[in-house]
Amino acid sequence: QVQLVQSGAEVKKPGASVKVSCKASGYTFTSNDIHWVRQAPGQRPEWMGWIKTANGNTKYSQKFQGRVTITRDTSANTAYMELSSLRSEDTALYYCAREGVAGQWEYWGQGTLVTVSS
Amino acid sequence: EIVLTQSPGTLSLSPGERATLSCRASQSVISSYLGWYQQKPGQAPRLLIYGTSRRAAGIPDRFSGSGSGTDFTLTINRLEPEDFAVYYCQQFAISPAPFGGGTKVEI
Repeated sequence: QVQLVQSGAEVKKPGASVKVSCKASGYTFTSNDIHWVRQAPGQRPEWMGWIKTANGNTKYSQKFQGRVTITRDTSANTAYMELSSLRSEDTALYYCAREGVAGQWEYWGQGTLVTVSS
Repeated sequence: EIVLTQSPGTLSLSPGERATLSCRASQSVISSYLGWYQQKPGQAPRLLIYGTSRRAAGIPDRFSGSGSGTDFTLTINRLEPEDFAVYYCQQFAISPAPFGGGTKVEI
């Protein structure tokens, strides 16, 4: 069965970077693209960016352009999201989601809590 | 940039009743790329509907979606206790793939 398993919770200081992983299993990793979404407490989910796992092409939300980098390691069936210059407003749950053939985001990781605090 | 506005913010209903949730877009949305999610506390969003009206795998047929253009609706017939949650619409055709503000369905 399709599974996306994310890395564990992180606590970071302002100005630092965080890298979250999303390990896929149960399907051919390069057949489906991966999106990254974050959700601050009590807020709606917010799209951060996307990677085409077959060739590594990426697209980022303008809001995070310059601070976010999404990569993948096809040998490890894993996608990564790195966010730099962290500030307190970046405290949120970060999710990866797999895009299906109709563009739908049917499979999601369990979420990774990133807390930014001095 | 497309903005999705959901209404009402909160819907207070009883088990067995019907819930009707609205999602209005600031500009026309490609119907193939309009979806609905259910989210419970501490859990990731769960895809219910995509392509405006297609149920995701394993979703009961009491959930249905409809609409076109700028107005879309999620209907939940005969609410079950496990249906009380927050529901989001999303358009995933054009970045930044926005989500609506959510509708909380509460008992």
